[in-house]
Amino acid sequence: AQSVTQPDIHITVSEGASLELRCNYSYGATPYLFWYVQSPGQGLQLLLKYFSGDTLVQGIKGFEAEFKRSQSSFNLRKPSVHWSDAAEYFCAVGEIGGSQGNLIFGKGTKLSVKP
Amino acid sequence: DGGITQSPKYLFRKEGQNVTLSCEQNLNHDAMYWYRQDPGQGLRLIYYSQIVNDFQKGDIAEGYSVSREKKESFPLTVTSAQKNPTAFYLCASSIADRGEQYFGPGTRLTVT
Repeated sequence: AQSVTQPDIHITVSEGASLELRCNYSYGATPYLFWYVQSPGQGLQLLLKYFSGDTLVQGIKGFEAEFKRSQSSFNLRKPSVHWSDAAEYFCAVGEIGGSQGNLIFGKGTKLSVKP
Repeated sequence: DGGITQSPKYLFRKEGQNVTLSCEQNLNHDAMYWYRQDPGQGLRLIYYSQIVNDFQKGDIAEGYSVSREKKESFPLTVTSAQKNPTAFYLCASSIADRGEQYFGPGTRLTVT
């Protein structure tokens, strides 16, 4: 069965420090991958996506993610975290060419930023 | 501005009452989705629709119903059969053959 695992429920980093949020997926077909961010009480905003091509993708707000097929991972990174990055982050996977367009979401990683 | 609107943002109901959550999009997207979000659970798919007048059950459809009479609108009814309806509900849409989904701001439903 398809699944997405975000191993870290909660991460705290200092402002200005680097960040890496982990995402592992289990998917039989060729996946496409996403990272979303959610502020408390709000909807989800798309940070970046990977469909094909260059395995390092750039997104909004200075985020990037790297697709590693051999490790079934799609980790999200940011070189220097800002206090406004405090939020919950969700990794999602879907199927390229799939008929339904459904995405499977991880359970999220909550990011706290220390001043 | 194009986007997805959900109303109301907060909704309170008594147990045993049906309640309908609104979702409207002006992105001209074919596909629309309803998710339920509970703390620590991520997003769980309730219903989705790829085209007008057609929809499919997701993973947790029991106690919910939907309609898709217009491309722009995909209302969700939480019925009295839903055992634990208090949650945050998110609506999303996408171009049918693309994976990225765009989300509305959500409706927080509290049933007492």
